[in-house]
Amino acid sequence: DTGVSQDPRHKITKRGQNVTFRCDPISEHNRLYWYRQTLGQGPEFLTYFQNEAQLEKSRLLSDRFSAERPKGSFSTLEIQRTEQGDSAMYLCASSLKADRTGGSQETQYFGPGTRLLVL
Amino acid sequence: KQEVTQIPAALSVPEGENLVLNCSFTDSAIYNLQWFRQDPGKGLTSLLLIQSSQREQTSGRLNASLDKSSGRSTLYIAASQPGDSATYLCAVRPPWHNDMRFGAGTRLTVKP
Repeated sequence: DTGVSQDPRHKITKRGQNVTFRCDPISEHNRLYWYRQTLGQGPEFLTYFQNEAQLEKSRLLSDRFSAERPKGSFSTLEIQRTEQGDSAMYLCASSLKADRTGGSQETQYFGPGTRLLVL
Repeated sequence: KQEVTQIPAALSVPEGENLVLNCSFTDSAIYNLQWFRQDPGKGLTSLLLIQSSQREQTSGRLNASLDKSSGRSTLYIAASQPGDSATYLCAVRPPWHNDMRFGAGTRLTVKP
């Protein structure tokens, strides 16, 4: 399978615990994105990386959230001191930025998501 | 701030019907617009991407149009099938940024 993979697919945790999610993008993709989706809503952008550099972060990404992409391949998203409001589906996507002129054709490919439930 | 709205929120049609899903956005300064499909509990599958300079894109039974000046896009599905049942989401990407803004989606049910 050469698509975007995410692990775990489901996570149940108690309020106050820390959780970490992993995303493995399509191997040749240099851009990686994290989104959060709550029931009945579209995904909301959290952050994105180009190679190992984190270039944009949403205001939704509070200081309890941290994301890394240490070698420009897989990425992790950590949530510290989880709250019930963090319960959501966390989606990862990747894309290939070929060059300046090709950016408008850049398609994001999504993983299956990690569903988090904070009790 | 870009707002993306999708109408209707839910749609149920009999198999074989042609249908149109609507997406509107408040800021016409976009880089591109994408339509996605999402099955329950799953990730998103890209269906069509329309660059800001384009008016429409087609893939099989799907046709997406873009009218930037009026802030609208439509997704036309021809000869609908039960397998088309899913939530359809549109997303716009602003220039110089990578934070795509999504609508809440239209949940489509195609009845056999």
